Amino acid sequence: DGGITQSPKYLFRKEGQNVTLSCEQNLNHDAMYWYRQDPGQGLRLIYYSQIVNDFQKGDIAEGYSVSREKKESFPLTVTSAQKNPTAFYLCATDKGGNYGYTFGSGTRLTVV
Amino acid sequence: GENVEQHPSTLSVQEGDSAVIKCTYSDSASNYFPWYKQELGKRPQLIIDIRSNVGEKKDQRIAVTLNKTAKHFSLHITETQPEDSAVYFCAARQGGSYIPTFGRGTSLIVHP
Repeated sequence: DGGITQSPKYLFRKEGQNVTLSCEQNLNHDAMYWYRQDPGQGLRLIYYSQIVNDFQKGDIAEGYSVSREKKESFPLTVTSAQKNPTAFYLCATDKGGNYGYTFGSGTRLTVV
Repeated sequence: GENVEQHPSTLSVQEGDSAVIKCTYSDSASNYFPWYKQELGKRPQLIIDIRSNVGEKKDQRIAVTLNKTAKHFSLHITETQPEDSAVYFCAARQGGSYIPTFGRGTSLIVHP
C-alpha cells in the first residue's frame, strides 16, 4: 500500500453502532487526511491533520470524529450520528511542500 | 475558495484513440495540478502533475498541459489501451499548507 495501511478492507456496521477505521503510515509524512467516496462521486474531505495533536474539520465532518496522538496513526470513528455512512473511505498522506497525495487502499463500510 | 470543474464526466474511446480530459480552476493562486487514476475498487494513484512554472509535461503516453491565463489544464492520453480504463481526477492546490480541491472525476472507458 505504498506505506499506508488501512484496515479493515471491509466493515459492516449495525444501526446505532460506532465503528473505527484504522489508518497507519510509515512514510514519516506530517499531514494525513480522510476522504469519503460514494459511487460515481468525487472525493469529499472529512477531516485532516497537518501535525500531531491537531486536526481540522473538512467539508463533511458531521457524524465523524478523529484523533492524532501519533504521527503514524490517524483513526476515523464513524458515529451513530452519521445517518448514511455506507461509502468507500480513503486515507491519504502528503510529505509537506506542494506535492501529491499518497492514498491507502481504502475501507468499504456498509450499514446492515 | 477554489473551485475545480472537470469535463467530461464520462469518456468512451476505441483502443488506440487519444483521450483528453479538461479541468478549469478559479483561484489564480493555485500553482500545483496533480492527476490521479483510480481503477475500480482501488485507491487513487498519482500519475502525473504539473506546476505553474511550466506549460506542458509528458510521461510516455500521458501528458498534461497548463494554461495559466485561461485557468485550465488538461490530461492527454495517446494510444489508449484497455488498462487505461479508470476514473481520472484532477486537482488544484495553492501551496503545501493548503488542501487541494478535486474535480468530480472522469470515467474513461477504452473499448478493445
